[in-house]
Amino acid sequence: NAGVTQTPKFRVLKTGQSMTLLCAQDMNHEYMYWYRQDPGMGLRLIHYSVGEGTTAKGEVPDGYNVSRLKKQNFLLGLESAAPSQTSVYFCASSFGGGELFFGEGSRLTVL
Amino acid sequence: GESVGLHLPTLSVQEGDNSIINCAYSNSASDYFIWYKQESGKGPQFIIDIRSNMDKRQGQRVTVLLNKTVKHLSLQIAATQPGDSAVYFCAETPRSGGYQKVTFGTGTKLQVIP
Repeated sequence: NAGVTQTPKFRVLKTGQSMTLLCAQDMNHEYMYWYRQDPGMGLRLIHYSVGEGTTAKGEVPDGYNVSRLKKQNFLLGLESAAPSQTSVYFCASSFGGGELFFGEGSRLTVL
Repeated sequence: GESVGLHLPTLSVQEGDNSIINCAYSNSASDYFIWYKQESGKGPQFIIDIRSNMDKRQGQRVTVLLNKTVKHLSLQIAATQPGDSAVYFCAETPRSGGYQKVTFGTGTKLQVIP
């Protein structure tokens, strides 16, 4: 079982460029999440999904878009990257409640 | 407002000693609490959880204590090993099922001294 897989693991962008982070889970989880982790700020929820075809905003959604066309995939898009979006991004999935299964993270640097 | 915080940002312990990591929460409606471990370069990993109707739960070498009176949560690691070196996060949710807003603390770094 792969669990939660994120691609790419590392990416460097220039300001204004766009990109998409892909998250895939093979546990048949209904719920999926995108978090960002910055030093001293813990994990902050960007967007989440409670099922295929649904998405919702989290705490820090500005500058990001998401899509969940298939139950196993959750995509995070940056339309016009900014240096403030330099961070480590984690995807997670769950059956519900607070027990989340996280991916290994995607480290994004915006120059 | 809702918040989950940690008293100590960094904790250093000798190998073989017991470790205690503390967490304070402010939302008295929280019903479910979880501890996560995050090793360097990896994603957080579930360690142990506890519901609000319990005050203690034990796992393998780990124990979580919940004091609802003072809104305090702690993680005890027995006979700390080098592999326990990581950042530990507490998290809380209003309930244990369905979609729940998970509030994470900022984390405590545990350093194990050989």
